[in-house]
Amino acid sequence: QKEVEQDPGPLSVPEGAIVSLNCTYSNSAFQYFMWYRQYSRKGPELLMYTYSSGNKEDGRFTAQVDKSSKYISLFIRDSQPSDSATYLCAMSGNDYKLSFGAGTTVTVRA
Amino acid sequence: ETGVTQTPRHLVMGMTNKKSLKCEQHLGHNAMYWYKQSAKKPLELMFVYNFKEQTENNSVPSRFSPECPNSSHLFLHLHTLQPEDSALYLCASSQAVNTEAFFGQGTRLTVV
Repeated sequence: QKEVEQDPGPLSVPEGAIVSLNCTYSNSAFQYFMWYRQYSRKGPELLMYTYSSGNKEDGRFTAQVDKSSKYISLFIRDSQPSDSATYLCAMSGNDYKLSFGAGTTVTVRA
Repeated sequence: ETGVTQTPRHLVMGMTNKKSLKCEQHLGHNAMYWYKQSAKKPLELMFVYNFKEQTENNSVPSRFSPECPNSSHLFLHLHTLQPEDSALYLCASSQAVNTEAFFGQGTRLTVV
């Protein structure tokens, strides 16, 4: 079993739709959770960083963490074509090892 | 610009060549990382340096040799690579070992 599971997609939505992304994990020691956005031929860009369970909102982006279910989500409201990218979830415990999902490729159609 | 700069952006090398990848961070961070990203696979952690000391070697073959002369610079020395080593090599840094990591743009390596 992979430590972090993420549906690779691809996911295609019309402009203005809500994009819903999620990851599940198996390591109960994880308590730091991140979402990265990666455009083609670019490095990952940090979008959201959360600690432990709960919700965090930043503009059109909302990150949710449910540690009891070992499940994290990222929602993108009012999606734009510029949101088309690969989204990576990542998480770690009290060490330096980030464990990544494989990434979900999202296309927002104009 | 993320504050983490990698050079070169693209590199094509033969299996008998020796080359080096360079990473520089301008964020005042204490930890630096090398990751490998292959198509359709999760990022693979290769090496971790914390305060210039290597704290992790994630079973990486010896044909990859890291060097961290100071907290701002990280190198990855490459020699006698194989075609399956072709990938995007990403450098990252973080303030501490359990805080968010910031990535460079990567070096696209092709081994021929």
